[in-house]
Amino acid sequence: DSGVTQTPKHLITATGQRVTLRCSPRSGDLSVYWYQQSLDQGLQFLIQYYNGEERAKGNILERFSAQQFPDLHSELNLSSLELGDSALYFCASSVSQALYLETQYFGPGTRLLVL
Amino acid sequence: AQSVTQPDIHITVSEGASLELRCNYSYGATPYLFWYVQSPGQGLQLLLKYFSGDTLVQGIKGFEAEFKRSQSSFNLRKPSVHWSDAAEYFCAVGASMNYGGSQGNLIFGKGTKLSVKP
Repeated sequence: DSGVTQTPKHLITATGQRVTLRCSPRSGDLSVYWYQQSLDQGLQFLIQYYNGEERAKGNILERFSAQQFPDLHSELNLSSLELGDSALYFCASSVSQALYLETQYFGPGTRLLVL
Repeated sequence: AQSVTQPDIHITVSEGASLELRCNYSYGATPYLFWYVQSPGQGLQLLLKYFSGDTLVQGIKGFEAEFKRSQSSFNLRKPSVHWSDAAEYFCAVGASMNYGGSQGNLIFGKGTKLSVKP
């Protein structure tokens, strides 16, 4: 158990809909990262937040957005969902914003299925 | 641009046999390299990482990896595989994009699925 929690574990929705994925980092970690894992694209970094502020952005679509709240939990919002958005979405956390200078601890993921 | 290549999509080894998973990276500066393991239905767990210093890095679960700058490789090894090692293994490199004073994130390879024969 990494200490990172993600809810829900599974999510089934329809095209055009909007969903919110939630992540709680390990106690004491200030950075939260979101990743998408799909069969065709592999594991891709989406976005990072540090202590409530956006710090780095990767291959995140404009239909997707994220935020980190004062209690440090984070939410990833996916809107106007398409079939291709079906994937496993991981959250990770680390102590500071030093990124790859420290270990990122991954949650178990949320599996999203868009029908 | 940074990239990571894991040439082997799927490898099968017998329990007790040695293992080597290949990873090649493309990076313009000193790389920060990682190996993660993903068991079925689980998140990723860090096995080991290389930042600098000794090019042979020891990790958890009896794994080690060797950084070879001349070959742009960071291969993962284990002398004797256990059935519980069956999982998917991901090599990653720390990216160099800068944003707001901090630096970029991990770029992953496509992964190598390891099956272990009894």
